[in-house]
Amino acid sequence: DAKTTQPTSMDCAEGRAANLPCNHSTISGNEYVYWYRQIHSQGPQYIIHGLKNNETNEMASLIITEDRKSSTLILPHATLRDTAVYYCIVRVQSDYKLSFGAGTTVTVRA
Amino acid sequence: SQTIHQWPATLVQPVGSPLSLECTVEGTSNPNLYWYRQAAGRGLQLLFYSVGIGQISSEVPQNLSASRPQDRQFILSSKKLLLSDSGFYLCAYSGGQAEAFFGQGTRLTVV
Repeated sequence: DAKTTQPTSMDCAEGRAANLPCNHSTISGNEYVYWYRQIHSQGPQYIIHGLKNNETNEMASLIITEDRKSSTLILPHATLRDTAVYYCIVRVQSDYKLSFGAGTTVTVRA
Repeated sequence: SQTIHQWPATLVQPVGSPLSLECTVEGTSNPNLYWYRQAAGRGLQLLFYSVGIGQISSEVPQNLSASRPQDRQFILSSKKLLLSDSGFYLCAYSGGQAEAFFGQGTRLTVV
């Protein structure tokens, strides 16, 4: 159930901002946008989520377009430890099912 | 605080042998519980999820089963392992905060 579309991979320079796009053109009004990342050989880690307003926490910022059909996860100062697969997911908060797509493989280079 | 325990970290089992992976959650009540599998180089595949004791939903037909004998305990089992059951198995939970938290995973190799 591919509700989101993400680029397969992207590179980023260490110390620069990494901007990860996600398209979710069929998102419904009560669906949130969630971001997770999975560092190699570890379980996925929750990053951030939002409904329609932009959100920021200690890890990242989430920018959601006004029509909510796309969003961007921003890692403000990428480090080598940010190298991971980043997953964008849309779901209603009451939806028990949590499914992941292919994600974007982000490689941060020195 | 909430924590999730999953063991063992690695496991090597012969074809045809049984499997039992256990996952327990602490610090939360009535969590939603999940089992995922990740084959080498592939994405996360949702296998089972549970919204309560004894309530199991299966996402894909397979050689595996899941059980939830207690509120914070989720078990993944197989009576006879196949080579194709090899992979990285992850347990996760979500509570009232809606985001999910994952265990460290079990890397299963069937030989």
